[in-house]
Amino acid sequence: SYELTQPPSLSVSPGQTARITCSGDALPKQYAYWYQQKPGQAPVLVIHKDSGRPSGIPERFSGSSSGTTVTLTISGVQAEDEADYYCQSADSSDTFSVFGGGTRLTVL
Amino acid sequence: EVQLVQSGAEVKKPGESLKISCKVSGYSITSYWLGWVRQMPGKGLEWMGIIYPGDADTRYSPSFQGQVIISVDKSISTAYLQWNSLKASDTAMYYCARPDSSGPQGGFDFWGQGTMVTVSS
Repeated sequence: SYELTQPPSLSVSPGQTARITCSGDALPKQYAYWYQQKPGQAPVLVIHKDSGRPSGIPERFSGSSSGTTVTLTISGVQAEDEADYYCQSADSSDTFSVFGGGTRLTVL
Repeated sequence: EVQLVQSGAEVKKPGESLKISCKVSGYSITSYWLGWVRQMPGKGLEWMGIIYPGDADTRYSPSFQGQVIISVDKSISTAYLQWNSLKASDTAMYYCARPDSSGPQGGFDFWGQGTMVTVSS
């Protein structure tokens, strides 16, 4: 079955830049999506179609894609950005989607 | 305003059946796919499957194929997730979510509040 691989954790200081990667064999041909989830809450879509930012999402959130890796970048990290982040994308045959294992972002 | 409202928490015994619901409002249910996502306690998100209420076209993750049934009743704008025989390992929070206009593999831009299912003897 298809898998997306994320680092389990990342720690950054306030004001720094956080870069969270997601790797998968089908990413060159499939869009990726990124979610932020805080404890006790439903996930929130923060990046769509690799690099689009939904309405209401701060400009410090951005996405990029290069080959089999997509990256979520949070510029000028704030304390409120501490959360779990998940990537999502489809398999190469476009039959189903999967989520990455998630990355816990800690703001020091 | 788009809303997805899920049914309440359930406590069931192993072997029992269960059907949880997701009622949508603020848009036509037949215009967008509707998916289900599992989150086991302390764990990550898992894409279970998705249905297009317009024609009931349903796609399942290989991990969930044969384990659950996704269905819809267009007349009451409600989607369902069903188990015929629950296991303790089905204990989790279940979210319904609506993808954007990209189709069945799109990102979920609207989410229900979640339904906690606890399976314990």
